[in-house]
Amino acid sequence: DTEVTQTPKHLVMGMTNKKSLKCEQHMGHRAMYWYKQKAKKPPELMFVYSYEKLSINESVPSRFSPECPNSSLLNLHLHALQPEDSALYLCASSKGQSGNTIYFGEGSWLTVV
Amino acid sequence: DQQVKQNSPSLSVQEGRISILNCDYTNSMFDYFLWYKKYPAEGPTFLISISSIKDKNEDGRFTVFLNKSAKHLSLHIVPSQPGDSAVYFCAASENQGAQKLVFGQGTRLTINP
Repeated sequence: DTEVTQTPKHLVMGMTNKKSLKCEQHMGHRAMYWYKQKAKKPPELMFVYSYEKLSINESVPSRFSPECPNSSLLNLHLHALQPEDSALYLCASSKGQSGNTIYFGEGSWLTVV
Repeated sequence: DQQVKQNSPSLSVQEGRISILNCDYTNSMFDYFLWYKKYPAEGPTFLISISSIKDKNEDGRFTVFLNKSAKHLSLHIVPSQPGDSAVYFCAASENQGAQKLVFGQGTRLTINP
């Protein structure tokens, strides 16, 4: 079972809204990731959590706020986003050790209006 | 500075023939390489990986070759099938506890009947 589940699949939000994207995995993985992907571009790393601690923040604006409540869950809280933040947001997980495969969820399509 | 490059944005191959997708990298610290396949509106699906201690890894119709001296890897798909039509991303990571994947720009593979 290599499933990473993301909700919602689609989200439309206004620039003043507060919303959250959710991610869940039950593979016992200890590293979880948020990536952002724009059309015709490769995924770009945003955040990495390793053993429930934030280990990498790729200089992401503070209007994106990650949270890792436990080893199976990862949230991305969104507030005061801009239209250019519209993208596919991908959650991923891995065992957290070097040389391990990263498995992606199907993504959450975000549109900021 | 693009550390992982896929110089062919697109590739068209006849069904049943071999598809060869290429990837070059510049960072000599990369020691783990992966290929992902992506359909529109879905997250990347892991295909195959290779560690820098190997020069070949095979899984069914998919074979990845690594040439460390040339900093080059390739994915061979044989025989190619219509369902293989997708965007293929090459990705690489260094020896870290939690992996920071660096993606290439992707190659759109089209398999013609």
